Amino acid sequence: EAGVTQSPTHLIKTRGQQATLRCSPISGHTSVYWYQQALGLGLQFLLWYDEGEERNRGNFPPRFSGRQFPNYSSELNVNALELEDSALYLCASSGNRGAVEKLFFGSGTQLSVL
Amino acid sequence: ELKVEQNPLFLSMQEGKNYTIYCNYSTTSDRLYWYRQDPGKSLESLFVLLSNGAVKQEGRLMASLDTKARLSTLHITAAVHDLSATYFCAVGPIIQGAQKLVFGQGTRLTINP
Repeated sequence: EAGVTQSPTHLIKTRGQQATLRCSPISGHTSVYWYQQALGLGLQFLLWYDEGEERNRGNFPPRFSGRQFPNYSSELNVNALELEDSALYLCASSGNRGAVEKLFFGSGTQLSVL
Repeated sequence: ELKVEQNPLFLSMQEGKNYTIYCNYSTTSDRLYWYRQDPGKSLESLFVLLSNGAVKQEGRLMASLDTKARLSTLHITAAVHDLSATYFCAVGPIIQGAQKLVFGQGTRLTINP
C-alpha cells in the first residue's frame, strides 16, 4: 500500500514568486494536514482539510492557502514568497475524522526561497 | 494556547547507556504522540498514548504518560547507534473539531559507539 506522497521533493523559487506543493494521502484517508518545518522552529501546523473543506488553520498569513480535491489529494499554495518561507513542508493524512488517532507523514517538499 | 516543550533539545550519548527525553505540555490534552525523524526523511509514528498512566514499549524505547503532571517521557534502554534520530512529541488538544497536533521542538539524539 502506498504511503503519503508529496511532490516535488525540492522546489527553488525566488522572493515574490508563488509555490505550489502537492500531496496524495494514503488510499482511504479523507483528512490531509499540512505542516511547516522551518530550521530550528520545529513543526508548525498550517492547514487541515477534510472531505474537501478547510477545517482548521494555523497562525499563518492568508498567502498560505490550499485546497483538497474530490480524490482527497491536496495542494498547498504559497503566494508572494518570502525568504523565511524556506522550510520543509510536510503533508500528513489520517482516516479517522475527528479522532486523529494517527497521522502518516509524507517525505516532504523542501522549499528554498532565494 | 497549548505549548509543548521537550528537553533536552540535544542529547549525545554512548551506546549501551540509558536516557530519558521529557515532554511537558501546558494544557489538558487527551492524546500524546511520539515520532521519530531521520535526517532528510519524514516522521515515523512511534507511540500513541491516550490515557493517564499509559505505557507503551517497543524494542529499546518505552513511552509513558502522566496527564496530571502533563508530562510524557521517552526512555531509551541500552542505546544503539540505529536509534540516532530526532524525536518529537506532539499533543492533541481536547477541543472538539480543532484537529491539530502541537509539536515539541524535537530532541536530536546522537548515539556514539
